[in-house]
Amino acid sequence: SQQGEEDPQALSIQEGENATMNCSYKTSINNLQWYRQNSGRGLVHLILIRSNEREKHSGRLRVTLDTSKKSSSLLITASRAADTASYFCATDASGAQKLVFGQGTRLTINP
Amino acid sequence: NAGVTQTPKFRVLKTGQSMTLLCAQDMNHEYMYWYRQDPGMGLRLIHYSVGEGTTAKGEVPDGYNVSRLKKQNFLLGLESAAPSQTSVYFCASNPNRGVPVSGNTIYFGEGSWLTVV
Repeated sequence: SQQGEEDPQALSIQEGENATMNCSYKTSINNLQWYRQNSGRGLVHLILIRSNEREKHSGRLRVTLDTSKKSSSLLITASRAADTASYFCATDASGAQKLVFGQGTRLTINP
Repeated sequence: NAGVTQTPKFRVLKTGQSMTLLCAQDMNHEYMYWYRQDPGMGLRLIHYSVGEGTTAKGEVPDGYNVSRLKKQNFLLGLESAAPSQTSVYFCASNPNRGVPVSGNTIYFGEGSWLTVV
């Protein structure tokens, strides 16, 4: 079974609003990463948060990690039409040599 | 520096045919991966390699074989294609600086669309 699961599966908001996506996972991790996928393209790395970190920022992105709840959230502030994409969380389970991806959240920003 | 390159980008196969997807990376990365992505699902790991000459099974390895004869190339083979293997296939690589995966990001190719009829 997949390690990470995103919520919601789909999100549609107006340009300028904030978008929040959540990810839950099952086992202990070394780090959690968020990736973005534009339609018909490969995944692009956005941000990584380590298991001993609680919050991280990168531009308009804010990621939080709660290891006690085994969950993470990705916040995109002041959304733009170009943010329309699918967003995936990926976990590096402790001791593993690979990343396991969730099912993704499909984000649509309406102009 | 082309990054991760996959060929072919599109292919239609008949059931029972065989084919090989080629992944090439020019970043001298140690780890390479093959994922498949199906509608409404995330990426599922098929096989991966932690170095030249080594391969390991991922989450959904059945029906696929892989080889890593050269560090820069990771081949995914379908010996007898089935309609259930219709999917988008993504290759990825990871520099593996020190601790496996931790702190490393994965670089993806642009995908290979495979249809088995």
